Amino acid sequence: QQPVQSPQAVILREGEDAVINCSSSKALYSVHWYRQKHGEAPVFLMILLKGGEQKGHEKISASFNEKKQQSSLYLTASQLSYSGTYFCGTGYNAGNNRKLIWGLGTSLAVNP
Amino acid sequence: GAVVSQHPSRVICKSGTSVKIECRSLDFQATTMFWYRQFPKKSLMLMATSNEGSKATYEQGVEKDKFLINHASLTLSTLTVTSAHPEDSSFYICSAATLGGGETQYFGPGTRLLVL
Repeated sequence: QQPVQSPQAVILREGEDAVINCSSSKALYSVHWYRQKHGEAPVFLMILLKGGEQKGHEKISASFNEKKQQSSLYLTASQLSYSGTYFCGTGYNAGNNRKLIWGLGTSLAVNP
Repeated sequence: GAVVSQHPSRVICKSGTSVKIECRSLDFQATTMFWYRQFPKKSLMLMATSNEGSKATYEQGVEKDKFLINHASLTLSTLTVTSAHPEDSSFYICSAATLGGGETQYFGPGTRLLVL
């Protein structure tokens, strides 16, 4: 039931783009994206709910393809501050059950 | 908004002692709090879900008598690691969610526990 994230790791030069995918074998209700820097707690980026929406947050956006049971996180014109590990958390029920199942993470390093 | 604090940030204790970790939502009421454990370079492992005023729901394989969770108010949940052993050393993170908050979990800064 754990979502599969790909790729496992990405190395970019500043200004380059990246796409991180999160796939589920089970029908999704929600996908949550977080970034975690070493030794710190995860920081919320965005949430996508069932309905196939796309959201944007500065130069970071995400899409949710309900049919494919997949979400993609798009990082454009990457900055040094984007470095960290990106986790997707997947929700399978609406309402009171907020439990998320987390992917293994994608490590992103942005170099000058 | 949506700030969650954890205390302590780091703790070193001797084997056999108990350690209490506090998780507080500072500017919102958290109807649900989650406790996670994370090993170096690994994903978040959910330990338990706690709802204010009721017993926590533990994930399979997590000993409820060893990891005591109390969610006494809408702004405070505590995790007590009882009779800690070196294998309990880890990074413990809590997150909080609020009713009507759109399912988002807000994470605390984490507590690094080292059991000697």
